[in-house]
Amino acid sequence: EVQLVESGGGLVKSGGSLRLSCAASGFTFSNAWMNWVRQAPGKGLEWVGRIKSKTDGGTTDYTAPVKGRFTFSRDDSKNTLYLQMNSLKTEDTAVYYCATDYCTSTTCYFNYWGQGALVTVSS
Amino acid sequence: SYVLTQPPSVSVAPGQTARITCGGDNFGSKSVHWYQQKPGQAPVLVVYDDSDRPSGIPERFFGSNSGNTATLTISRVEAGDEADYYCQVWDSSSDLVVFGGGTKLTVL
Repeated sequence: EVQLVESGGGLVKSGGSLRLSCAASGFTFSNAWMNWVRQAPGKGLEWVGRIKSKTDGGTTDYTAPVKGRFTFSRDDSKNTLYLQMNSLKTEDTAVYYCATDYCTSTTCYFNYWGQGALVTVSS
Repeated sequence: SYVLTQPPSVSVAPGQTARITCGGDNFGSKSVHWYQQKPGQAPVLVVYDDSDRPSGIPERFFGSNSGNTATLTISRVEAGDEADYYCQVWDSSSDLVVFGGGTKLTVL
């Protein structure tokens, strides 16, 4: 059974930093492309970005609002995905989900999701 | 950037059919995926590649994609279908993922 468990959420002041973790099990983590999706309170889903598997280059893609502030990393030996968030803004307040995706040459979708971690940024 | 447009809300009586639309440019060249999200829960994939269902998703959930509009159709709607529904595509030109704004389905 695939499981994704986020941790590390909490309250942080504007300008501060926080690191989220996503512990994965039930699948071959090292082969997976991993994503972060966030949801501000009462709002819709926003894709934050992805990190590809090391065999696919381990490259990262970020949505524009977080470029230069957020960094994805992974430790395949620990089956864990990380999201380092720096220079946090109040608009980064959201539930952050990690998710696996299934991608072909023409599409990508998210087949498994964690339960989410709440990040609250105060002014 | 690529934009997906969904109606904010759809209401339907139990037993009736709900149709939730998702609009975008050049949809014919993209595969559309749909997620159901109930309050306080993570999203769940209910339709992928326009019309395929993951295992465990009832046949009452049906997806279609024609022209510039994709539609999630839920037949014989039940109270338990009340949720937010999001469409999603992968924009190949930018290699980025895009979600629609979401539609709140209310079962009257």
